[in-house]
Amino acid sequence: QQPVQSPQAVILREGEDAVINCSSSKALYSVHWYRQKHGEAPVFLMILLKGGEQKGHEKISASFNEKKQQSSLYLTASQLSYSGTYFCGTEDTGRRALTFGSGTRLQVQP
Amino acid sequence: KAGVTQTPRYLIKTRGQQVTLSCSPISGHRSVSWYQQTPGQGLQFLFEYFSETQRNKGNFPGRFSGRQFSNSRSEMNVSTLELGDSALYLCASSFGGQGSGNTIYFGEGSWLTVV
Repeated sequence: QQPVQSPQAVILREGEDAVINCSSSKALYSVHWYRQKHGEAPVFLMILLKGGEQKGHEKISASFNEKKQQSSLYLTASQLSYSGTYFCGTEDTGRRALTFGSGTRLQVQP
Repeated sequence: KAGVTQTPRYLIKTRGQQVTLSCSPISGHRSVSWYQQTPGQGLQFLFEYFSETQRNKGNFPGRFSGRQFSNSRSEMNVSTLELGDSALYLCASSFGGQGSGNTIYFGEGSWLTVV
């Protein structure tokens, strides 16, 4: 079962902040975040692991609530380059493969 | 360091035909995973190969198959194409394979249109 992302789409002005949420019904081992621009490969942003370890971009912040099986990606002082579709991928404790949400389309306007 | 390379980038096939897509992972990576991306369904996991063995499989019909060679390059084959197979097929490579919090890195994908 794929994780649920919210919101499905968001439009921001440059400099504004946004939060993208990802929730799962399963016990999670890790949450992975990617950004995909149209016609391009999804680009790795961050991994959050059970136990609190995080690996990823210095300018990206995220949280992982293990009890609620939820993760949030925080985009602050947004720039035009932040536009794209953000995907969360979850790895549950019983299955090795990453399962991705349906994505959040983010558009940053001047 | 070269990224994940997928060929061909674009192709058009007729219903009933078969297609083979190729993926070269990042040098040193032993795992290759395949995903199907469509506007309505998002990223759907097809299968993962690690050191030439299929390690995991998604919920796709048997028309979708794959293999991995000793140099870690992978191919994905779809037989008896249907209109609904039109999608972007993404390959992702990983050093340690999916699981245990390992990062996977995607290629730009192969756009398949079935007419």
